[in-house]
Amino acid sequence: EAQVTQNPRYLITVTGKKLTVTCSQNMNHEYMSWYRQDPGLGLRQIYYSMNVEVTDKGDVPEGYKVSRKEKRNFPLILESPSPNQTSLYFCASSLFSGSPSNQPQHFGDGTRLSIL
Amino acid sequence: SQQGEEDPQALSIQEGENATMNCSYKTSINNLQWYRQNSGRGLVHLILIRSNEREKHSGRLRVTLDTSKKSSSLLITASRAADTASYFCATDAGDTGNQFYFGTGTSLTVIP
Repeated sequence: EAQVTQNPRYLITVTGKKLTVTCSQNMNHEYMSWYRQDPGLGLRQIYYSMNVEVTDKGDVPEGYKVSRKEKRNFPLILESPSPNQTSLYFCASSLFSGSPSNQPQHFGDGTRLSIL
Repeated sequence: SQQGEEDPQALSIQEGENATMNCSYKTSINNLQWYRQNSGRGLVHLILIRSNEREKHSGRLRVTLDTSKKSSSLLITASRAADTASYFCATDAGDTGNQFYFGTGTSLTVIP
């Protein structure tokens, strides 16, 4: 089954404790992306990657890191989490053909992160 | 920011009625997409319309795009309770990059 898998689904942690949210897709997609969703703000792109070893900042990259060592995986790293990073996070992937909007994005089920 | 804005923010209708939601964006685009999100779940792609298209249909969905006004609308006909969800438009930024931008969403409630 074609899917984007995120783990964990829920996490409560404390300020400053490094954490990683994993994302994996089995559709051989080039484009992968991380979003955060906050009430009233919609989804905002944190980082995206157009292929292995190619990553770029989205609208809200501060406080986050990503890596793309393999095509299928795109982990989101919070080196020193803070309470303002409490949010619902989504990973998504799509084929890439000239523009990120040429193909539909496939979303994971989300990771609800609470940082105390 | 390229982020689109949906209007209205919230919409409540009776089952069987039509629901229309609008999206406005700021710069030129290549394509525009609409997504649906059931409460707290991942987004599901509904329909993609290219910048050279004016209207597209998929089942009970009808999407229009007016690039001169930088706006799009999503019409859901003969709504059902199962259509209750949030709906988002999403765009690129034309030739200026590979970011992907979502609007703030319309929350649709269909009352049985």
